[in-house]
Amino acid sequence: KAGVTQTPRYLIKTRGQQVTLSCSPISGHRSVSWYQQTPGQGLQFLFEYFSETQRNKGNFPGRFSGRQFSNSRSEMNVSTLELGDSALYLCASSSGQGAFWYEQYFGPGTRLTVT
Amino acid sequence: EDQVTQSPEALRLQEGESSSLNCSYTVSGLRGLFWYRQDPGKGPEFLFTLYSAGEEKEKERLKATLTKKESFLHITAPKPEDSATYLCAVIDGSGNTGKLIFGQGTTLQVKP
Repeated sequence: KAGVTQTPRYLIKTRGQQVTLSCSPISGHRSVSWYQQTPGQGLQFLFEYFSETQRNKGNFPGRFSGRQFSNSRSEMNVSTLELGDSALYLCASSSGQGAFWYEQYFGPGTRLTVT
Repeated sequence: EDQVTQSPEALRLQEGESSSLNCSYTVSGLRGLFWYRQDPGKGPEFLFTLYSAGEEKEKERLKATLTKKESFLHITAPKPEDSATYLCAVIDGSGNTGKLIFGQGTTLQVKP
């Protein structure tokens, strides 16, 4: 079974620009969660989508948004980029229902650098 | 507030020198505790899920245990390839959500 894939793997953007990151979950998984990882704050939860609906959202400003498509693929968008948005953005998928649905499997991440 | 604390922050071992990593948690109603391994520049790799106190799971040189307030990741006779950051996480206490709360991790270095 193929794992979680994320594209692109690396991005360099300028302050004020916007960016869209993409995530394809493990086949059959319907829940996708996004996390931001920085050296200072560690892994922090951004939001989770299940069946195209946002089920939960972390404590991030409204510049961070996401969506999920009918095939469970997900995108996250960051508008008006700031230097502090430089981070590794990780996507994780889980089955979303049934036994052991909490088990999340992570993709390789997208390394975003804002200059 | 739900919280996960890992110790030590960094650990250096000689090859073959066994040790344990600690994960203390505070969550309203534990629904699951997870251990991940993360190599530099990569996403976390799933290792174990523990659901109830007293549960133990093993994989090669790793063994995870769980009590009501903490979890341990025991590493027996480690090899240099075990060098990585080990992350502990719990499911958010509000439940029914895909939110994991992570500790800051323990960076393990195993020298040959």
